[in-house]
Amino acid sequence: AQKVTQAQTEISVVEKEDVTLDCVYETRDTTYYLFWYKQPPSGELVFLIRRNSFDEQNEISGRYSWNFQKSTSSFNFTITASQVVDSAVYFCALLRQAGTALIFGKGTTLSVSS
Amino acid sequence: DTGVSQNPRHKITKRGQNVTFRCDPISEHNRLYWYRQTLGQGPEFLTYFQNEAQLEKSRLLSDRFSAERPKGSFSTLEIQRTEQGDSAMYLCASSLGRPYGPTDWAKNIQYFGAGTRLSVL
Repeated sequence: AQKVTQAQTEISVVEKEDVTLDCVYETRDTTYYLFWYKQPPSGELVFLIRRNSFDEQNEISGRYSWNFQKSTSSFNFTITASQVVDSAVYFCALLRQAGTALIFGKGTTLSVSS
Repeated sequence: DTGVSQNPRHKITKRGQNVTFRCDPISEHNRLYWYRQTLGQGPEFLTYFQNEAQLEKSRLLSDRFSAERPKGSFSTLEIQRTEQGDSAMYLCASSLGRPYGPTDWAKNIQYFGAGTRLSVL
């Protein structure tokens, strides 16, 4: 069975703090893809990143960084020096190589206060 | 705006009425997906199209739901005899299609619209 778990339901931080959003996935597939999406109050899911299962290199994009560890089936997302505009619901998702449907976690609501 | 467009953004209806939502995908995308998202949950897959063909439906798509994608362009999702349990955000996404190898990076990213929020009274 495929499953994505985001154990943190809500996180509140003060601006400029670093914050890490956890994602743990389950799959028996050897090839799969992992995604992070951001959903601001407007409702649109905004694509942030995709990783392939065979590429465990961590990635940094500005204030965002992702840590992919197959050994622990985790794909965590860190925001450095958080800003109020980072306030949103963040979803981790899994896609099988032969699949079409994204399997989402329940999301983590991040609130950044000034 | 060249992103995925959904209309209407909000729909309020009475139980038992029929409703129809529209999705216009990114123009060069051949795959189109419908998801449903309820409060506090992640989106759940409903169905997808490859061009005009509906190739997969989830168990969530009851007989009261029907989706079409005539001519492989825009898509409509109709819910007949709405029930209060149908209240949710209906999200549409599009992509270039399934990757066939590790280098087909661009082909399986799904881009989402802003959704249609349905409230059934």
